[in-house]
Amino acid sequence: AQKVTQAQTEISVVEKEDVTLDCVYETRDTTYYLFWYKQPPSGELVFLIRRNSFDEQNEISGRYSWNFQKSTSSFNFTITASQVVDSAVYFCALSERGRAGANNLFFGTGTRLTVIP
Amino acid sequence: DADVTQTPRNRITKTGKRIMLECSQTKGHDRMYWYRQDPGLGLRLIYYSFDVKDINKGEISDGYSVSRQAQAKFSLSLESAIPNQTALYFCATSDPGLGAYNEQFFGPGTRLTVL
Repeated sequence: AQKVTQAQTEISVVEKEDVTLDCVYETRDTTYYLFWYKQPPSGELVFLIRRNSFDEQNEISGRYSWNFQKSTSSFNFTITASQVVDSAVYFCALSERGRAGANNLFFGTGTRLTVIP
Repeated sequence: DADVTQTPRNRITKTGKRIMLECSQTKGHDRMYWYRQDPGLGLRLIYYSFDVKDINKGEISDGYSVSRQAQAKFSLSLESAIPNQTALYFCATSDPGLGAYNEQFFGPGTRLTVL
């Protein structure tokens, strides 16, 4: 079963529009971490945020905000006033203990965001 | 200088060739990982290592082997490359001292094409 689901494969918005990227996760662990990474066209992975399962406060960082809701197993990411530089593939990821105590990351399949000027 | 480096950054090879991808880190982390990224599939774990003597298979280890030569170096080998191993490969590191569920730091990736 997919541990992290990003149902939106591709999204296109016009510059300055707000956009929300959805992430739904599945885990039996009571303690886990959730992450968002950005992959620009150059290919590297850029860490955006980490959230542990005990901290359900929403977080805002500039134009970025994250909404973590354990009740719906969701960790959604919103970009306000999108810019062309936000065009990238965004990955949501889950870290849980696993069988051998490994803190491996399980990635979603990513959402490709295109911001049109 | 980058904390996690990968060489080569791009490689084109032929079916049946042996190829090694190398990863080096200056972060002093004990844990290292190899992932592959395929379009539409996200990143999947190939192998991970908790220290020089502890190497473990990940989700998709068939067709790959690894070597942890030192704390700072973790190599991924394709003994006989095949076209469906064409992908973007990422190395990552993490530090268990930062907590049980800590951030992984990724290298820039190696784009491998097998013809």
